[in-house]
Parts: sequence; C-alpha cells; structure tokens
Amino acid sequence: AQSVTQLGSHVSVSEGALVLLRCNYSSSVPPYLFWYVQYPNQGLQLLLKYTTGATLVKGINGFEAEFKKSETSFHLTKPSAHMSDAAEYFCAVSPNSGNTPLVFGKGTRLSVIA
Amino acid sequence: KAGVTQTPRYLIKTRGQQVTLSCSPISGHRSVSWYQQTPGQGLQFLFEYFSETQRNKGNFPGRFSGRQFSNSRSEMNVSTLELGDSALYLCASSPVVRTEAFFGQGTRLTVV
Repeated sequence: AQSVTQLGSHVSVSEGALVLLRCNYSSSVPPYLFWYVQYPNQGLQLLLKYTTGATLVKGINGFEAEFKKSETSFHLTKPSAHMSDAAEYFCAVSPNSGNTPLVFGKGTRLSVIA
Repeated sequence: KAGVTQTPRYLIKTRGQQVTLSCSPISGHRSVSWYQQTPGQGLQFLFEYFSETQRNKGNFPGRFSGRQFSNSRSEMNVSTLELGDSALYLCASSPVVRTEAFFGQGTRLTVV
C-alpha cells in the first residue's frame, strides 16, 4: 500500500528564509506526486505535481519540488518565505497503476516569523 | 470555469441525527472523492465515485454513505451522528481517476 511521510508536523522559518518541507513516499513504482496547501477554513489548493518527465517541478507562489527516485522523496522548497506562505501543506501520492485514490501525508504547518 | 462547490459550508447537528452534504464538481469532471479532516486523524479518505459507481471506499463505518448522480454531482450521508463525526468534510473532483484532485471549500460539521 502507498504511504506518505511528512517529516515535521510544524516548521517555523523567518521571513525571507528558505522554506524546506520534507515528503517521503513508499511505492514499488514511481507514483504521481502532489503538494497541496490549505489555508484556515479552506479547502486544499494544488501547488504543484509530478507525473513524468523533468524531476524538478515548479508550482505556484514560487514553490518548487524535486522528485528523487533513489531517495523516494519529493521535498517542497521556496527560496524566500513570505508571511502569506503561512499555512498547512500536504504531500500526496497517487499510485502509478490501478484506480486507487490520492493518499495524503499528515501535513506540515508552516509558520513564518517577521 | 467554476470550481468545486460544497453546500452547506457550515452545519450544526445533534447527536443521533443524520446529515446530507452536497458536492458539485467542476464541469466535465467525472470522479468525485470525499475526505474527512480532523485535527487528530488528518485527511482520511471516505469514498470515491466515478460515473455514478463507487470505485473505492475508505475504512469508515456503514453510517457513512454516498452516491453520485448522472450529472456527476455527489452527496454523502452520515446517519446516527456521533460527536466524533465533527470534522471538515472535503469533496474533490478530477477529470479522470489518478489525476490531480481539485478541492471544494469543505463543509464544517459540528455535532453537539
């Protein structure tokens, strides 16, 4: 079964600092990978996705993520944090076969300190 | 293009009652999934419908049910509500299964 592990339930960074949110997945074959962001009392918004091709994926709001098959990782980064980035971030995986739904990690709450 | 619409946004129910939540997917999307989100358990998959057929089901009791109509709109029903059913219920739609999911704003259900 697919699973997703997000290291760190809460990450705190200073405004302007690098944002790094970690995601590791378990899968016997490369899956599809996604990062979502959730603001308070809102639904989830897709930040970026990896399906095939280039392993460095750029998303909205200056975020990017790199798929590393050898490390089974899909970490999310942003060079310079902004106060508006404070939110909950979810990594998700969709297996590369069959029709099983997205599996989400437990989420990482990002705080940005002025 | 309109996004995923969930109604109502907020709901307060009494223990033992039943509730029906509604989800209208993005036009043209045939797959609708439902998730329960709570602080303790995170995002938990409830079920998924594709072309009116339940394709996948999560590990929830039979009190949780759903259906999808021919226009792809979906409803989920929870009978005999318990305090622990208080959660944010999220609906997501996809054009086909396994592509990215687009989420609605959610329905915040409070059981008292």
